[in-house]
Amino acid sequence: DQQVKQNSPSLSVQEGRISILNCDYTNSMFDYFLWYKKYPAEGPTFLISISSIKDKNEDGRFTVFLNKSAKHLSLHIVPSQPGDSAVYFCAARNYGGSQGNLIFGKGTKLSVKP
Amino acid sequence: NAGVTQTPKFRVLKTGQSMTLLCAQDMNHEYMYWYRQDPGMGLRLIHYSVGEGTTAKGEVPDGYNVSRLKKQNFLLGLESAAPSQTSVYFCASSLAGTANTGELFFGEGSRLTVL
Repeated sequence: DQQVKQNSPSLSVQEGRISILNCDYTNSMFDYFLWYKKYPAEGPTFLISISSIKDKNEDGRFTVFLNKSAKHLSLHIVPSQPGDSAVYFCAARNYGGSQGNLIFGKGTKLSVKP
Repeated sequence: NAGVTQTPKFRVLKTGQSMTLLCAQDMNHEYMYWYRQDPGMGLRLIHYSVGEGTTAKGEVPDGYNVSRLKKQNFLLGLESAAPSQTSVYFCASSLAGTANTGELFFGEGSRLTVL
């Protein structure tokens, strides 16, 4: 059963507007949530993370929001740029589980149109 | 700084052949992982290691073996390749203990096709 879900396989946004990528999870033992960005033919790269004890973390144009009661997190990109076009993976770490490994969602492909 | 390096980048195998994927990291990380990525499936953990000489199974370990003889290297082996193992394989590494906030450093990937 999927513990980390990204229900939107793709998202298209106009340059300069906000991109909102969503992620839902089922395991209340997750202690860290991360977003990774992946370009074609490259490995995923870390983008931003949030601890389960916080509800918001901001880094430049990227902000992650965590709603623990709803088991939902979202990544906001403002303003969106064509270079942001990539696949975004939501990931979560289980504090009580295997050491350090992450559980990934299936990804959302973001296309930012000029 | 090379980070995480995977070799080979591409490989085509016939069913039943064996091969080894090599992952090397130069960041002195304790933890290393092998993931596979398939269309519409995200990244799934195959095996991982929390230190030199240790290995453990992940979510999809069947058909694979691993070894961590040196801290900087993590090898993924396919003893008898099957078409279902056609995938892109990613190696990753991370810090250990309280310094670990979940951030993984990934290699560029190895694309394997099994005919």
